[in-house]
Amino acid sequence: AQTVTQSQPEMSVQEAETVTLSCTYDTSESDYYLFWYKQPPSRQMILVIRQEAYKQQNATENRFSVNFQKAAKSFSLKISDSQLGDAAMYFCAYRSAFSDRTGNQFYFGTGTSLTVIP
Amino acid sequence: KAGVTQTPRYLIKTRGQQVTLSCSPISGHRSVSWYQQTPGQGLQFLFEYFSETQRNKGNFPGRFSGRQFSNSRSEMNVSTLELGDSALYLCASSVDGTSTDTQYFGPGTRLTVL
Repeated sequence: AQTVTQSQPEMSVQEAETVTLSCTYDTSESDYYLFWYKQPPSRQMILVIRQEAYKQQNATENRFSVNFQKAAKSFSLKISDSQLGDAAMYFCAYRSAFSDRTGNQFYFGTGTSLTVIP
Repeated sequence: KAGVTQTPRYLIKTRGQQVTLSCSPISGHRSVSWYQQTPGQGLQFLFEYFSETQRNKGNFPGRFSGRQFSNSRSEMNVSTLELGDSALYLCASSVDGTSTDTQYFGPGTRLTVL
């Protein structure tokens, strides 16, 4: 079974600084998708960024970028120029590319709570 | 387009009761997935419905069940509630639930079992 590990339960960053959230995963599959979701307090979860495993290029979405190391099974999220609105719980998630065989559910990590200090 | 909606947002029940939660997906989305979120276990997959059929199921006891209607709205039911069922229940919808499909989450229903 696939597992996703986020070893940093809590992180903090000064406003306008850069922070990196870590995520590792374990899978025997060759193709899959990795995601970072953001869950602000009492608000719904939204997709931050997505990476396709077969793509070597790291995904980027504005101030958010990932460092995807497939061999190391590592998928970290970098937030640049941190803003107060970035404060949230961040979840790393895995999804198989072979949904017809293994199902298409997400496997989530336990989350990292990010605090942004003004 | 309206987002995923879940009702009710908050619910308090006592042990042994049953509960039904509702999820209305984004218009045009035919796949609905349910997740249980607890501080101890994190987010765990319950089941996925597509075109009124359960397509995938997580590792939860039979007390947890669901269904999907022809308009893609989904309900999940938990019978004989236990204290450990207290959680935030999230549903997520997507067009067809394939691996490349983006899932959109609802705000969740927070269930408290006393």
